[in-house]
Amino acid sequence: QVQLQESGPGLVKPSQTLSLTCIVSGGSINTAGFYWSWIRQLPGKGLEWIGYIYYSGKTAYNPSLKSRLTISLDKSKNQFSLDLTSVTAADTAVYFCARDVVGGTYDAFDIWGQGTMATVSS
Amino acid sequence: SSELTQDPAVSVALGQTVRITCQGDSLRNNYASWYQQKPGRAPVLVMYGKHNRPSGIPDRFSGSNSGNTAYLTITGPQAEDEADYHCNSRDSSGSHVVFGGGTKLTVL
Repeated sequence: QVQLQESGPGLVKPSQTLSLTCIVSGGSINTAGFYWSWIRQLPGKGLEWIGYIYYSGKTAYNPSLKSRLTISLDKSKNQFSLDLTSVTAADTAVYFCARDVVGGTYDAFDIWGQGTMATVSS
Repeated sequence: SSELTQDPAVSVALGQTVRITCQGDSLRNNYASWYQQKPGRAPVLVMYGKHNRPSGIPDRFSGSNSGNTAYLTITGPQAEDEADYHCNSRDSSGSHVVFGGGTKLTVL
């Protein structure tokens, strides 16, 4: 049973970098057919797709975040990470990592981490 | 702004049937996936693809599509189905994932 677990600092200062890691257990991240993804939810709002990385290293990012965003993969540790630079209060959110099953005509996020709250404040 | 539109709130009487909609041009070429989210919890996938229901999801949940609209139907909703429901698909370019704004379902 694949499980995902986010980790990272709960509090980040404005203009600094938010770094989060998602540890994958119960299965290998080095597997075709899945996009390893980050999704966030601003307080009281809907879900926002941040981006994903494939086992080959291919990435796709939300255009609104692309200039500040890097998603990377560490196969040796079976984990993937998010770095979001120059954060502001508008980046305060619950951040989820999730597995996206690539179906050709659909994206289905079938496994989610529990989510981690990241607050941007001085 | 999202390329997928959902009604912010829908209510249904216990045992009746409710249909939650997700509208967007990309749905003409892609299927929506649907998620149930309860307060303080991560979303749970309830429908995806043309008619796929993950293991463990009750069969009162079903999905359908027509033109640029995807539908999540709950037949005979139970009190525990009260939650937020989110849809996702691709954007018009096909290169990025997008979510709808979510629908808060109240079971009366």
